[in-house]
Amino acid sequence: GENVEQHPSTLSVQEGDSAVIKCTYSDSASNYFPWYKQELGKRPQLIIDIRSNVGEKKDQRIAVTLNKTAKHFSLHITETQPEDSAVYFCAARGLYNQGGKLIFGQGTELSVKP
Amino acid sequence: DGGITQSPKYLFRKEGQNVTLSCEQNLNHDAMYWYRQDPGQGLRLIYYSQIVNDFQKGDIAEGYSVSREKKESFPLTVTSAQKNPTAFYLCASKVAGSYNEQFFGPGTRLTVL
Repeated sequence: GENVEQHPSTLSVQEGDSAVIKCTYSDSASNYFPWYKQELGKRPQLIIDIRSNVGEKKDQRIAVTLNKTAKHFSLHITETQPEDSAVYFCAARGLYNQGGKLIFGQGTELSVKP
Repeated sequence: DGGITQSPKYLFRKEGQNVTLSCEQNLNHDAMYWYRQDPGQGLRLIYYSQIVNDFQKGDIAEGYSVSREKKESFPLTVTSAQKNPTAFYLCASKVAGSYNEQFFGPGTRLTVL
């Protein structure tokens, strides 16, 4: 079935460094790839998303890249700050996926040390 | 995201009891979803509904049931058949369409005593 693999499961960086989280997906018909940030005990919130007809998208310190041929996409956070510490989830939605279901990765716990 | 509410925030249940988790949205969203979140794991889909009076099983539907009698409401019942129900439950909703954002509720933490 459809699957999304996310790596690494934990990531620790120094404040000001960059962080990269990678995901691969199995369904070649996937056309929408959101990234969610979840702080401890709170709801996941969308931070950036990308459609399959775009290779890269940026929003201030956050960027997402998509390689459709290799079926992988990545989240890049530059100039990390302590408030970036959270769990990040990638997800994929298939073109023919009934109900608009998102398939989520397992999550990456990012820790930014001051 | 303030338009999706879940109640209660914390719920304690004795083994063998059924419990119902509430999810309400005033965003006029068509589709609603229930996810289960366990420590160190991603979000696993329990049930989803695209329209009123219709719903489909997700990846881990066993031991759960839902209803969608109103567009704004999608309650989840955790039955005694669910062997390991202790988890964080998240409800979500979105407008129909592939690229529309999915919004999450604040979650309910269920603990079986």
